Amino acid sequence: QQQVKQSPQSLIVQKGGISIINCAYENTAFDYFPWYQQFPGKGPALLIAIRPDVSEKKEGRFTISFNKSAKQFSLHIMDSQPGDSATYFCAASRGAGNMLTFGGGTRLMVKP
Amino acid sequence: NAGVMQNPRHLVRRRGQEARLRCSPMKGHSHVYWYRQLPEEGLKFMVYLQKENIIDESGMPKERFSAEFPKEGPSILRIQQVVRGDSAAYFCASSDTRQNHYGYTFGSGTRLTVV
Repeated sequence: QQQVKQSPQSLIVQKGGISIINCAYENTAFDYFPWYQQFPGKGPALLIAIRPDVSEKKEGRFTISFNKSAKQFSLHIMDSQPGDSATYFCAASRGAGNMLTFGGGTRLMVKP
Repeated sequence: NAGVMQNPRHLVRRRGQEARLRCSPMKGHSHVYWYRQLPEEGLKFMVYLQKENIIDESGMPKERFSAEFPKEGPSILRIQQVVRGDSAAYFCASSDTRQNHYGYTFGSGTRLTVV
């Protein structure tokens, strides 16, 4: 199975709050898990990525948590800002540089 | 250093016409990937090319769709005899080496509308 399931489809968070987006995968051969941010009319931009040998990776306000046994990973956006309002996609692949399987996306709105 | 350049940004075609989408990778990048995004959905992999070679076309529809990445010039995604269901955003990404995912940069896409 190549599917990656993402939830929620949409999310509204107050400024300063924590945004949490979850993804689950089925293919245990996946070993690279990136998150992308997409603004309207633009292409996806890589935010942060993790490999299954670590359980957490943090870059600024963005943190990925990874649970290999549950085959789940999540994105946490701390101190969410209106400028974070965008669509977020999780993805997975077998090795970096190979085809990415994307989740369905989460439309985040951060209210001022 | 310009990013991945895609043109046109918007393309309108009537049913039965051909659509040609172009992608110029970042300077120094020799790997190109094409993805399709239907409205309100995630991106779906179509094809992976290196210069003059198709490496993986497992996501390409069997008919009407073709892709190339010649030795000189941009990569081209060609859709023959377009149908309404081909309406989507088509994104190209490039990287400098298959192992360097942080070089995996997407363009701004071509939005194809079939009328």
